[in-house]
Amino acid sequence: EAGVAQSPRYKIIEKRQSVAFWCNPISGHATLYWYQQILGQGPKLLIQFQNNGVVDDSQLPKDRFSAERLKGVDSTLKIQPAKLEDSAVYLCASSLRTSGGNTIYFGEGSWLTVV
Amino acid sequence: AQTVTQSQPEMSVQEAETVTLSCTYDTSESDYYLFWYKQPPSRQMILVIRQEAYKQQNATENRFSVNFQKAAKSFSLKISDSQLGDAAMYFCAYRSLNTNAGKSTFGDGTTLTVKP
Repeated sequence: EAGVAQSPRYKIIEKRQSVAFWCNPISGHATLYWYQQILGQGPKLLIQFQNNGVVDDSQLPKDRFSAERLKGVDSTLKIQPAKLEDSAVYLCASSLRTSGGNTIYFGEGSWLTVV
Repeated sequence: AQTVTQSQPEMSVQEAETVTLSCTYDTSESDYYLFWYKQPPSRQMILVIRQEAYKQQNATENRFSVNFQKAAKSFSLKISDSQLGDAAMYFCAYRSLNTNAGKSTFGDGTTLTVKP
C-alpha cells in the first residue's frame, strides 16, 4: 500500500516569496491533515479536511496560509507571503476517518527554509 | 484545551537495556486516545503504540509497552531490549473522542540516543 506522498521535500525561499506544498493521501482516506513542525517542537495542526470540507482550521494563519482539497483527494498548502518564522517541516497526514481511534499516517514532510 | 508535556528533552540508553520515556497530559475529558510516535531523522512520524483511555490494561507492542495511569494523567513508554534502530525522537500525543475528533495534540518530544 502506497503511503502519504508529499512534494517538494525541500524548499528554500526568500521572505515575502510564496511557496506551495502538495500532498496525496493514502487511497480511500477521507481525512487529511496538515501539520507544522518547528525545529525542537511537536507538530501543530494547521488544518484538517474531511473529504473536501474543512473540519478544523483554527490554528491556520489565514492572512498568509491557505489550503484546499479539491475533489476530496490530494491537497495543496500555500504560504504567501512567507516569513522567517514559517521555516519548519510541513507534515501531511491522512486517516481513514476522523474518529479518534483511527490511525493517522504521516508523509515524510516538506522542509521549508525561509531566508 | 488539552496539553501534553514531555519533561525529558533527551534520554540515552545502552543497547539491550530498558528505558522509560515520560509523558503527562491535562484534560477534562473522560474518553480519549493516547499515542506514542517515533520520528527518525527522515521526519516521517511512525505510530509506535496507542492506548484507549477506557481500557485499564496497558497496551503492549513487542518490545514497547506503556504505563497508563489515568488518575495521574500519566502515559509513559517503556522500551525493552533497546536496539540501535530505536534511536529517534519520540512524541506523546493526545486525541479527543469528542470535539475535533482526529485532532492530535503533541508534546515537544524526547530525543532518544542508543549507545552501542
